[in-house]
Amino acid sequence: DIVMTQSPDSLAVSLGERATINCKSSQSVLYSSNNKNYLAWYQQKPGQPPKLLIYWASTRKSGVPDRFSGSGSGTDFTLTISSLQAEDVAIYYCHQYYTTPWTFGQGTKVEI
Amino acid sequence: QVTLRESGPALVKPTQTLTLTCTFSGFSLTTSGMCVSWIRQPPGKALEWLARIDWDDDKYYSTSLKTRLTISKDTSKNQVVLTMTNMDPVDTATYYCARTRLLNGLDVWGQGTTVTVSS
Repeated sequence: DIVMTQSPDSLAVSLGERATINCKSSQSVLYSSNNKNYLAWYQQKPGQPPKLLIYWASTRKSGVPDRFSGSGSGTDFTLTISSLQAEDVAIYYCHQYYTTPWTFGQGTKVEI
Repeated sequence: QVTLRESGPALVKPTQTLTLTCTFSGFSLTTSGMCVSWIRQPPGKALEWLARIDWDDDKYYSTSLKTRLTISKDTSKNQVVLTMTNMDPVDTATYYCARTRLLNGLDVWGQGTTVTVSS
């Protein structure tokens, strides 16, 4: 199974400041035939299901604010919140869908 | 509008078999590229992917749970069913179903159903 490791486990960021979450996979999730990274990011607020933010490592889902961005390739990925808002307080998960069994990172809690 | 809704028992006893149903609308599981997965989340813990069924009836399972899981679909009812045998208190969790379209991540999730395993 591909192991997804996120860092840090939690971080506190001031309103309006940048938040950066890292995700490392135990093997590459880059599919060479189409040059796509099979990596997604989700946001989960308390008592709610996860919400897809980013897929293909850097494609923002329609309706997701542009302060959320994803980057990286191969085994190392980053989710950046450029200017943290109060409503961004949540747990964020990375997820590889390159191969089954699909796997998630352990989550990163973002607080103000 | 795409929606998914999970249903099933809130409480099961150890060793029993759990049957969960995901009823969806707004898409068809006969459309090429469509998949439905089950994911669970124990209280205060991370997400765990359990199983997936594709439009062509291909099925995939968690390595650690594959001997206990069966996923199936009823396209006429727009439902996906997950069974998990030999339930244990460590299986207490919120169980979600979610859609994938053309491998663009899990783009729509149900609200989840909470299952407690206790005698």
